[in-house]
Amino acid sequence: EAGVAQSPRYKIIEKRQSVAFWCNPISGHATLYWYQQILGQGPKLLIQFQNNGVVDDSQLPKDRFSAERLKGVDSTLKIQPAKLEDSAVYLCASSLENSGGAFFGQGTRLTVV
Amino acid sequence: GEDVEQSLFLSVREGDSSVINCTYTDSSSTYLYWYKQEPGAGLQLLTYIFSNMDMKQDQRLTVLLNKKDKHLSLRIADTQTGDSAIYFCAETRYSTLTFGKGTMLLVSP
Repeated sequence: EAGVAQSPRYKIIEKRQSVAFWCNPISGHATLYWYQQILGQGPKLLIQFQNNGVVDDSQLPKDRFSAERLKGVDSTLKIQPAKLEDSAVYLCASSLENSGGAFFGQGTRLTVV
Repeated sequence: GEDVEQSLFLSVREGDSSVINCTYTDSSSTYLYWYKQEPGAGLQLLTYIFSNMDMKQDQRLTVLLNKKDKHLSLRIADTQTGDSAIYFCAETRYSTLTFGKGTMLLVSP
């Protein structure tokens, strides 16, 4: 079974630029998560989708971050404009149900300079 | 502060047992999880326990749950150098996964 796929693996941008990350979840998984992991901390939930609907986006900085999950499969997370404090690893995860164990991709390491 | 609390660091010798502890806050959490993260990698689901269980054993891993104290522990028997990683405890709160800051386990030969 293929795991959660994310791209790119690494990205370096200047502050105020835009960036987008892509995630392809495990086939059949209805729930998709985007987490932000700052160095030395645990993952923090940014947004959670159930199929193509948003379940929780309470911690998403909506003035600069946006995410969509078209057709309930792939998802993209965008940051516009980026700030230095957005430097982190962005992890995508998926699960069969809301309360099931989530399976994570390798993450995208973003460096904002 | 963090809702899920973990000690930050644990050092053991190869062959010893490791015990990583976690306290959580939501008594209604249905599942509690342990994840492992190696350098530069994503999180790997190690094991989980349903809230109506006290203990779960999976090969070298034993999970103990004390619901009264909201305390979760992960015991790794016969710890190997390949077990060196950061271990995260996570709880389901309002249908989302909430993580602690992680415990760095260092296994020395």
